[in-house]
Amino acid sequence: DAGVTQSPTHLIKTRGQHVTLRCSPISGHKSVSWYQQVLGQGPQFIFQYYEKEERGRGNFPDRFSARQFPNYSSELNVNALLLGDSALYLCASSPWGLAGQPNTGELFFGEGSRLTVL
Amino acid sequence: QKEVEQDPGPLSVPEGAIVSLNCTYSNSAFQYFMWYRQYSRKGPELLMYTYSSGNKEDGRFTAQVDKSSKYISLFIRDSQPSDSATYLCAMGGSSGNQFYFGTGTSLTVIP
Repeated sequence: DAGVTQSPTHLIKTRGQHVTLRCSPISGHKSVSWYQQVLGQGPQFIFQYYEKEERGRGNFPDRFSARQFPNYSSELNVNALLLGDSALYLCASSPWGLAGQPNTGELFFGEGSRLTVL
Repeated sequence: QKEVEQDPGPLSVPEGAIVSLNCTYSNSAFQYFMWYRQYSRKGPELLMYTYSSGNKEDGRFTAQVDKSSKYISLFIRDSQPSDSATYLCAMGGSSGNQFYFGTGTSLTVIP
């Protein structure tokens, strides 16, 4: 079974540019979350989406936005990039809300998109 | 005060040793507790998941949750060089919306 897939795997942008990161969850998972992991730190929560609705938002500026599509895939958008946005962006899907299952709270991560802002 | 505190290490042990990794937290509402393993430049891999308090064992791995002390642990028995990685603890509340991660503990198992 395919796990969580993310694209692109690596990208380099310059300050002020915009970036779009994409994520496909595990088949059957309806919940997608985005996390930012700066080198040497643990992942930090950005967004959670379930059934195309935003269910949670972390302490990130409005330059960060996301959406979830009818097929449960998701995009993370970051505008006006800053040097400090350089990080590994992780997408995680969860069986939260999977039919017949309770809210397990488990997160299954993709390999991430490594963003470098110059 | 951070939601989750984790000693970053690094921790270096000989092959076959028992490894103990720990995290403390401040939010008594946390119900979900996880341990992830992350190899360099890879995404985190879910190792252990525990709901509420208690112990859970899976092969060489044992996870413990002590909610009264707000303290969780991961034990690795008979450690192997392939266990060398960064171990992240994570936890969240009953809504399951947002999870808080520790900074990770870097572990090296020496053959």
